Amino acid sequence: DAKTTQPNSMESNEEEPVHLPCNHSTISGTDYIHWYRQLPSQGPEYVIHGLTSNVNNRMASLAIAEDRKSSTLILHRATLRDAAVYYCILTGRGDYKLSFGAGTTVTVRA
Amino acid sequence: DVKVTQSSRYLVKRTGEKVFLECVQDMDHENMFWYRQDPGLGLRLIYFSYDVKMKEKGDIPEGYSVSREKKERFSLILESASTNQTSMYLCASKTAALMSNQPQHFGDGTRLSIL
Repeated sequence: DAKTTQPNSMESNEEEPVHLPCNHSTISGTDYIHWYRQLPSQGPEYVIHGLTSNVNNRMASLAIAEDRKSSTLILHRATLRDAAVYYCILTGRGDYKLSFGAGTTVTVRA
Repeated sequence: DVKVTQSSRYLVKRTGEKVFLECVQDMDHENMFWYRQDPGLGLRLIYFSYDVKMKEKGDIPEGYSVSREKKERFSLILESASTNQTSMYLCASKTAALMSNQPQHFGDGTRLSIL
C-alpha cells in the first residue's frame, strides 16, 4: 500500500491559516490524494481530493507538489470547529476501502 | 450536500442479543460500506455493497451480516452480540463505480457498547 506521513499534531490560532503537510514519496501516477477529517465523537468527513493540480473548495485548498511526492492541505481561516484529526490518504486503482493512519491532530486556540 | 444518517448515536446491548444498525443515504449512491473504528486499530471494513441486494465481505466480517433491500438503506446485523464487538460503527456511501476515486461520505457513527 502507498503510505503517507503526517506530523502528529499542529496548533493554530483562530482566524489564522493552517498548513497541514503530507509526504507520500512512493505515490504512483494514478494515485489520488484524499483528505478527510474527524471531529471528536463524530464520523470522518471528506474534505478535498486531487490528482495533480491544486484544488479549491469551500472547506479548504489542496496544494500538490510538482513531483507529487508531497501535498499540503490549507485551511484559510481556522475556526474552533476545525479542531479535528486530519487524515491524508492515497487511493489508487482497485482501492475501494479506506484506511486511516494516525493523522494530524489540529488544535485551534481562541 | 450528501447526507448519511445512522439510526442511533449511542446504543447499549447485552451479550447474545441480535443487534441491528441502520444506515440511510439520500444521494442515490450505488456503493455503501460498514466500518468499525477502534483506538489503535484504525478503520476496518466489515462489509460493503455495490448495488441493491449485492454484498461483499470486507476484512472482518465474522459475527456480522448485512442487508441491502433498497438502494438508500444498508443495515448491519450483529447476529449474537459479544463484548469484543463494542466499538464505533461507521456507515459510508460513495457514488459511481466502486473502484472510482470519488470520496466516501460518512454518517456520524454509532457508538455501540455490549455489556
